[in-house]
Amino acid sequence: GQNIDQPTEMTATEGAIVQINCTYQTSGFNGLFWYQQHAGEAPTFLSYNVLDGLEEKGRFSSFLSRSKGYSYLLLKELQMKDSASYLCAVRDSSGYNKLIFGAGTRLAVHP
Amino acid sequence: GAVVSQHPSRVICKSGTSVKIECRSLDFQATTMFWYRQFPKKSLMLMATSNEGSKATYEQGVEKDKFLINHASLTLSTLTVTSAHPEDSSFYICSARASGGGGRENEQYFGPGTRLTVT
Repeated sequence: GQNIDQPTEMTATEGAIVQINCTYQTSGFNGLFWYQQHAGEAPTFLSYNVLDGLEEKGRFSSFLSRSKGYSYLLLKELQMKDSASYLCAVRDSSGYNKLIFGAGTRLAVHP
Repeated sequence: GAVVSQHPSRVICKSGTSVKIECRSLDFQATTMFWYRQFPKKSLMLMATSNEGSKATYEQGVEKDKFLINHASLTLSTLTVTSAHPEDSSFYICSARASGGGGRENEQYFGPGTRLTVT
């Protein structure tokens, strides 16, 4: 079956670092994506990992361990505008390479 | 970056009527488009995968006769909610994946969403 787990909510302080974890079990695997979504808006792409290791892009980094079925998104130097939902999604190679989403983690950044 | 548009952005309809939502890739060709629905404070639930020129593939539990999908061209897919009921009220989001070549097949872009309210 398909199962993608991430924490429901997290809070953090402006300027701090926060790590959002994601574990997955899917029929096939062809990459893991992280998206940011503000309320009432469409998701926007943050990162893509298909090989093990860390991908860094500015204040955002994403890590993948395929053997453990585990990923995390690291946000540094948090800003108030980073308050949003963060969606972990796995591309399932077993059918049309569709994206299967986790429930999302709502991050609240406080001053 | 690539742009995906949806129309309308917001629609209110009466129970029993049908509503059509359009999804267009504006600056790239999309062989595959995906339709999702999202309930408040919930994640995206994949409804169906739409491939240009062929029948859509629906996820388990999604009624294909109720949610009609047509992918007539490489830049347009439509979702028609037939005989809408209040429980169909939701946020519908489409996503388009660029046609292959140059690594673009890894890129999937989302439209701004359509909020459907059935009264």
